Amino acid sequence: GAGVSQSPSNKVTEKGKDVELRCDPISGHTALYWYRQSLGQGLEFLIYFQGNSAPDKSGLPSDRFSAERTGGSVSTLTIQRTQQEDSAVYLCASSLRPTTDTQYFGPGTRLTVL
Amino acid sequence: AQTVTQSQPEMSVQEAETVTLSCTYDTSESDYYLFWYKQPPSRQMILVIRQEAYKQQNATENRFSVNFQKAAKSFSLKISDSQLGDAAMYFCAYRSAWGSQGNLIFGKGTKLSVKP
Repeated sequence: GAGVSQSPSNKVTEKGKDVELRCDPISGHTALYWYRQSLGQGLEFLIYFQGNSAPDKSGLPSDRFSAERTGGSVSTLTIQRTQQEDSAVYLCASSLRPTTDTQYFGPGTRLTVL
Repeated sequence: AQTVTQSQPEMSVQEAETVTLSCTYDTSESDYYLFWYKQPPSRQMILVIRQEAYKQQNATENRFSVNFQKAAKSFSLKISDSQLGDAAMYFCAYRSAWGSQGNLIFGKGTKLSVKP
């Protein structure tokens, strides 16, 4: 079946602009995660969604970051007023259930802030 | 808080040979999961192998096997008969079995090169 998909694959933006990154999880997966991969910080957890419940935002680095998940499926990560330090690869993952099941990753979105 | 350490930033292996990647972790929990993910230049994170902490038997997947030492908090990955396609970044990851979140905690990664 289809895996996790993300769009766009690459995004170049200017400092101060807002960006939206999209994640389409595997059909039927209730848990969805966003991670950030940067040279300095490695792989960091950002936010977690379980079904239609309120998300766990404990990993978001600042209030410029937000995310939503519509209909328990597609998720959008929004970064407002982008900064150069936001440049990274943003990875999305989904799993059938949150704790016991393997997370499957999408190909990521490489964000470059000029 | 849990941490994962990969002490080898880079490793190299000759094609058809065996290589072992190291991973140690720190946790006070007794029940958890450990993973090795592979990330080739395409960026796609691919699950290599998974180990449940309650299982004493080491997990194996074809040419990939782990040496899980729970008391030592060590989780190394052995790749046998290395192939050119094994060249990638390898990440060790930890996930708690408790709570409702289940996010992964990653090590910094090991870049594996395979020489023909």
